Amino acid sequence: QVQLVESGGGVVQPGKSLRLSCAASGYTFNTYGMHWVRQAPGKGLEWVALISNDGTNKYYADSVKGRFTISRDNSKSTLSLQMDSLRAEDTAVYYCAKTTTVVKSAFDIWGQGTMVTVSS
Amino acid sequence: QSALTQPRSVSGSPGQSVTISCTGTSSDVGGFNYVSWYQHHPGKAPRLMIYDVSKRPSGVPDRFSGSKSDNTASLTISGLQAEDEADYFCCSYAGSYTWLFGGGTKLTVL
Repeated sequence: QVQLVESGGGVVQPGKSLRLSCAASGYTFNTYGMHWVRQAPGKGLEWVALISNDGTNKYYADSVKGRFTISRDNSKSTLSLQMDSLRAEDTAVYYCAKTTTVVKSAFDIWGQGTMVTVSS
Repeated sequence: QSALTQPRSVSGSPGQSVTISCTGTSSDVGGFNYVSWYQHHPGKAPRLMIYDVSKRPSGVPDRFSGSKSDNTASLTISGLQAEDEADYFCCSYAGSYTWLFGGGTKLTVL
């Protein structure tokens, strides 16, 4: 079945870097765009970034622009999020999610998330 | 851009109906027919329940329905069941390939 599995979360000091990965299976990965979405403790969901199916177009939330980089390897069905200059406010569960056929429409498959804690 | 506004909690008894509202602006909810709703049991993957305001993905019971009026979208769950107890998030496309989510609503089935 269609599945997304995130990895790479952990505890990191402010100002440091962390790289998250998302392994996709059960569908043709290079046909769909992919998102990262996060949820800070006790807060709602926040959209973080989108990458197009072929990796050529990337979009970011203002809160992470210039610090985070989304990428994908279609040969390995893997999505990544490089997080640099991390701040305490980046502490959250990070989810990867697949776009629907119409990218603007919705996020139709999600992973279970990986926790990132930014703390000294 | 601010998050969409949802009630923090709603509740209902089994068999009853509940409606969760999601209020945005003319730049997001009111400006596009790309409102979606997600069910989230803590620790699990969120599940898409409604997309494009009122469409249901395959496998979602028809007890779940969505609508929109001006800048407010709504999710209605009829015939409440115990397994419906979860957090529900709304989401709207906000233009320029950005999206806004609501703060989430905790549904309690009494």
